[in-house]
Amino acid sequence: EAGVVQSPRYKIIEKKQPVAFWCNPISGHNTLYWYRQNLGQGPELLIRYENEEAVDDSQLPKDRFSAERLKGVDSTLKIQPAELGDSAVYLCASSFMTGLNGQYFGPGTRLTVL
Amino acid sequence: AQTVTQSQPEMSVQEAETVTLSCTYDTSENNYYLFWYKQPPSRQMILVIRQEAYKQQNATENRFSVNFQKAAKSFSLKISDSQLGDTAMYFCAFMENAGNNRKLIWGLGTSLAVNP
Repeated sequence: EAGVVQSPRYKIIEKKQPVAFWCNPISGHNTLYWYRQNLGQGPELLIRYENEEAVDDSQLPKDRFSAERLKGVDSTLKIQPAELGDSAVYLCASSFMTGLNGQYFGPGTRLTVL
Repeated sequence: AQTVTQSQPEMSVQEAETVTLSCTYDTSENNYYLFWYKQPPSRQMILVIRQEAYKQQNATENRFSVNFQKAAKSFSLKISDSQLGDTAMYFCAFMENAGNNRKLIWGLGTSLAVNP
């Protein structure tokens, strides 16, 4: 069974440029999460989808971050414009329903904003 | 609000020995789940083990086992026969089993180094 797929794995951009990350969850997992992880810290939830619906986006900086999951499978997270402080690893995870059996993570996208 | 505390920022162990990572949490709820995740250097987060709060029996997955003390709100991870591949950051996490907002609450992690 394929795991969570993310692309790109690495991205280096200049500040004020846009950037987008893509995630394909494990087949059959209806819940998808986007996290941001700074060096030496635990993941911070940005947004959680149940199917197509964003059920928790309280920590998403909506002035510059946006996300979509149009068909309830793949998801895209966008930052526009990027700031220096956005440099981090962006993790996508998926789970079946509520995630009580655990969330399964992709390899992440390491973003560097110069 | 629920919190998760990992009091050991860094630990080390010799290969083949046993190490225990500590985790405590604070909640007023009775129905919840606890998790240990492993994140090797520059590699992805992996679920190691989970524990349902209503189960008294400690969870075990091969060399990994937990000591779940519900009254003390403690959830430590024991790694037996440590291997070099166990070198990683280990995160303890908590999830309440109620309502619609089932969010993972994460500890700050413990960096474990397994030495040859």
